[in-house]
Amino acid sequence: GQQLNQSPQSMFIQEGEDVSMNCTSSSIFNTWLWYKQDPGEGPVLLIALYKAGELTSNGRLTAQFGITRKDSFLNISASIPSDVGIYFCAGQRYDTDKLIFGTGTRLQVFP
Amino acid sequence: DGGITQSPKYLFRKEGQNVTLSCEQNLNHDAMYWYRQDPGQGLRLIYYSQIVNDFQKGDIAEGYSVSREKKESFPLTVTSAQKNPTAFYLCASRLGPANTGELFFGEGSRLTVL
Repeated sequence: GQQLNQSPQSMFIQEGEDVSMNCTSSSIFNTWLWYKQDPGEGPVLLIALYKAGELTSNGRLTAQFGITRKDSFLNISASIPSDVGIYFCAGQRYDTDKLIFGTGTRLQVFP
Repeated sequence: DGGITQSPKYLFRKEGQNVTLSCEQNLNHDAMYWYRQDPGQGLRLIYYSQIVNDFQKGDIAEGYSVSREKKESFPLTVTSAQKNPTAFYLCASRLGPANTGELFFGEGSRLTVL
C-alpha cells in the first residue's frame, strides 16, 4: 500500500529549539492529520486539517495544509522534553475511505 | 470515560498458535480499524469495518481474520498462517462518514511470537 514521504526520519534537538517536519504525497488529499505517539502507546491526534492552505495551531504546535494539497507541515515551537516521541502524518484522498500514514519522525529533545 | 480499549497489552504465543486481540469502543463510532506497526515503519492497515457485519481487507490482510458482530467490538485473530506476527497492533475507530479522517486509537497490543 501507499505510504507518505515524511521527513526528516529523526531529529535530535536541544530544549527550546523550534522543530519543523513535513509530509509529501504524489496524490491530492482532502484531509491531513498529525499524530504523536509515545513509546508503547497508541498515536494521539494533534491537529486535523481539511482545507488547502489551512493553518491550524494547537498550543505550541502549528500545522499547515499545503496549497497543492500534496503536502503538509508541522512546526513545534520552543520544544520541551515531553515533546519526545514519534510524529506521524496521515492523509486521505477524496475517493477512498482509508487513511495513509507517513513513516514517522522520531524526535529527541535534550535538556 | 469514552475510549477504545485493547487487550491484552502484552501477549506471547508459540509458533503455530492462533491468538485473538480484543478491541472495544464506547464512542458509538461506526468504523473500526486494525493497524500493524513494526519498528521504524508507519502504520499498515490490516482490516477495517465501516458497519456491523461487514469488513474489508486492508493492505496486509494475509494471515489475519476479523469479525464485527457488534458495533462496539472488532476482534483481530492472528492466525498461524501469518509468517511474521511479532509486532505492535493498534485498533482505531472513527465516527463515520467515509471521508471524515479523524481516527482515534487504542493503546495497542504487543504480540511476541516465541
